[in-house]
Amino acid sequence: DIQMTQSPSSLSASVGDRVTITCQASQDISNYLNWYQQKPGKAPKLLIYDASNLETGVPSRFSGSGSGTDFTFTISSLQPEDIATYYCQQYDNLPTFGGGTKVEIK
Amino acid sequence: EVQLVESGGGLVQPGGSLRLSCAASGFTFSSYWMHWVRQAPGKGLVWVSRINSDGSSTSYADSVKGRFTISRDNAKNTLYLQMNSLRAEDTAVYYCARNSGWHRALDYWGQGTLVTVSS
Repeated sequence: DIQMTQSPSSLSASVGDRVTITCQASQDISNYLNWYQQKPGKAPKLLIYDASNLETGVPSRFSGSGSGTDFTFTISSLQPEDIATYYCQQYDNLPTFGGGTKVEIK
Repeated sequence: EVQLVESGGGLVQPGGSLRLSCAASGFTFSSYWMHWVRQAPGKGLVWVSRINSDGSSTSYADSVKGRFTISRDNAKNTLYLQMNSLRAEDTAVYYCARNSGWHRALDYWGQGTLVTVSS
C-alpha cells in the first residue's frame, strides 16, 4: 500500500499569509495526487486534482504542485473562510489519504 | 445538481451488522465508479471501498476485507455498504463519494452517516 506523509499536522497563520502544506508518497505516484478541504461537521470538498489542476469554482489563491513523490499545496493569501483541515490523497491505484493539516487563524 | 444522500447509520453492538445506503441524483449514476470513505471521531479520512460502474469489480481496504461488501443497484441509483462483524474501531462517519469521470479524484461527497459500534 502507498503511504502518504502530510506535514505539518497543524498550523496557525495570519490573514493574508502564505500557507504551504507538503505531502510525500512512499512511492512514485506520477501526478495522481489530489487535495481536499474539510470544514468542521462538513463533507470533504475537492480543491485540486492531478497535483496542480484547480477544480471548477475553487478560488485561485489555492494551488498545488509536484510530481513523483513530493507535492505541495499553497494558499497564497489566507482568508478567514479557509479555516479547515486539508487532506492530500493519492490515487495511483487504490486511494489513500494523508493525515491532514488543520489550518487555524493566528 | 449532483446529490448523494447516505442513510442507514446508527448504534449497533460489536459483532452486529448494518447496511448503509447512498441515494444518488443529478447525474447518470450507472456511468460512475463510487466509493465509501470513513472518518472516526476526531480523526482523518480513510478510504474503505470502491465499485466500478456496473458493479462487476470491487476493492476494499485491508481493515474491512472479508467483513464489508460494496454493491450498487443502478436501476435505483443507489450505492450500498453491507457491514458485518462490526468492531468498535469501525465507529465512524461513513461518506459515499463519486469518482470523477475524467480524473482519479472523488469529486462529489455525501453528508455522511454515523455508525457507532458499542455495547
